[in-house]
Amino acid sequence: DAGVIQSPRHEVTEMGQEVTLRCKPISGHNSLFWYRQTMMRGLELLIYFNNNVPIDDSGMPEDRFSAKMPNASFSTLKIQPSEPRDSAVYFCASSLAPDPNTEAFFGQGTRLTVV
Amino acid sequence: AQTVTQSQPEMSVQEAETVTLSCTYDTSESDYYLFWYKQPPSRQMILVIRQEAYKQQNATENRFSVNFQKAAKSFSLKISDSQLGDAAMYFCAYRSPNTGNQFYFGTGTSLTVIP
Repeated sequence: DAGVIQSPRHEVTEMGQEVTLRCKPISGHNSLFWYRQTMMRGLELLIYFNNNVPIDDSGMPEDRFSAKMPNASFSTLKIQPSEPRDSAVYFCASSLAPDPNTEAFFGQGTRLTVV
Repeated sequence: AQTVTQSQPEMSVQEAETVTLSCTYDTSESDYYLFWYKQPPSRQMILVIRQEAYKQQNATENRFSVNFQKAAKSFSLKISDSQLGDAAMYFCAYRSPNTGNQFYFGTGTSLTVIP
């Protein structure tokens, strides 16, 4: 398996523009997580899905952020409109549930810069 | 939400020496799992080691071992014979089937290896 695949690796956009980050989890994994990493706040869980259903989105900063998982092999995180404070590295990770002994496998992240 | 605390933002170690990174967590659960992840400059999150809370024996993976103290809710990582490639951010993480199976991460410890 190629692991968790995220695209794009880097994104530079202007304030106010819509940004869509994409994630393909590992085949067979039924949990998917979106994290945001910044120097100030570390790794923050934004939202996670079990079996394509959003379980906890309490980490989503505000209504400008939305996430979807239309099927088991694809998820998106959208920011509309983007702001400079959204600049961060966004990670997608997948895992197996309900076995808690399995680790989260991370993608390589998307570095988002909003200017 | 569960709390995972890494009280050492930065650590350094001489090459070939041993270093211990600390992690504490707050939980009322008895069934949970703990993980250490490494994030090198490439930003890829890599699992280093895991520990099941019901196991008293400390986990070991080559030069990496943990000191798991369940009563104290402590989970430290020991790196023996440190190598230059060990330089990275290290994150401690907690997961429990009773808290939605999501991963809770600490804020990380940046490890520098001095040649």
